[in-house]
Amino acid sequence: AQSVTQLGSHVSVSEGALVLLRCNYSSSVPPYLFWYVQYPNQGLQLLLKYTTGATLVKGINGFEAEFKKSETSFHLTKPSAHMSDAAEYFCAVTYILTGGGNKLTFGTGTQLKVEL
Amino acid sequence: NAGVTQTPKFRVLKTGQSMTLLCAQDMNHEYMYWYRQDPGMGLRLIHYSVGEGTTAKGEVPDGYNVSRLKKQNFLLGLESAAPSQTSVYFCASSQTYGYTFGSGTRLTVV
Repeated sequence: AQSVTQLGSHVSVSEGALVLLRCNYSSSVPPYLFWYVQYPNQGLQLLLKYTTGATLVKGINGFEAEFKKSETSFHLTKPSAHMSDAAEYFCAVTYILTGGGNKLTFGTGTQLKVEL
Repeated sequence: NAGVTQTPKFRVLKTGQSMTLLCAQDMNHEYMYWYRQDPGMGLRLIHYSVGEGTTAKGEVPDGYNVSRLKKQNFLLGLESAAPSQTSVYFCASSQTYGYTFGSGTRLTVV
């Protein structure tokens, strides 16, 4: 079964500093990996996804993530944090459901705080 | 350009009451899902549907029922609400690997 571990439930960075949110996965089949962002009192918005091909994936708002099979990791980075990046971030892995569709398995989330 | 719409957005129930949460999508997606989100636990799948007229159990189905009579709608029912069902409920739909989420329903059971 697939699972996702996000290291650090809370991460605090200064505005302009590097953002690094960690995600490790376990999967018995080649994974499809996702990062979602959730702003307060809102739903989840897709930041980026890895399916196949290039292992460095670029997403919205300047975020990117690199799929490293040898490390079973899919860490999320952004070179320079902005106040508007403060939100909760979820890493997720998917597998195919019986009969079709796919089930996203989520990590427990990382709350990102950006300080002046 | 609505995407996935959930109603209601907020609800307070008394223990033992019943209610139905409605999810509607306008993207003609085949697959629909109900998740619940609790602090420190991420999102957990309650039930899902792989097409009109189909439903299946997810990780935490107990106490919930679902129906998908029309392709665009996915209903989540609580027959006898319990305080443990206090949560934020998210509906999502997908056609391939990308999920589109609704904005959530915040349910409190007192």
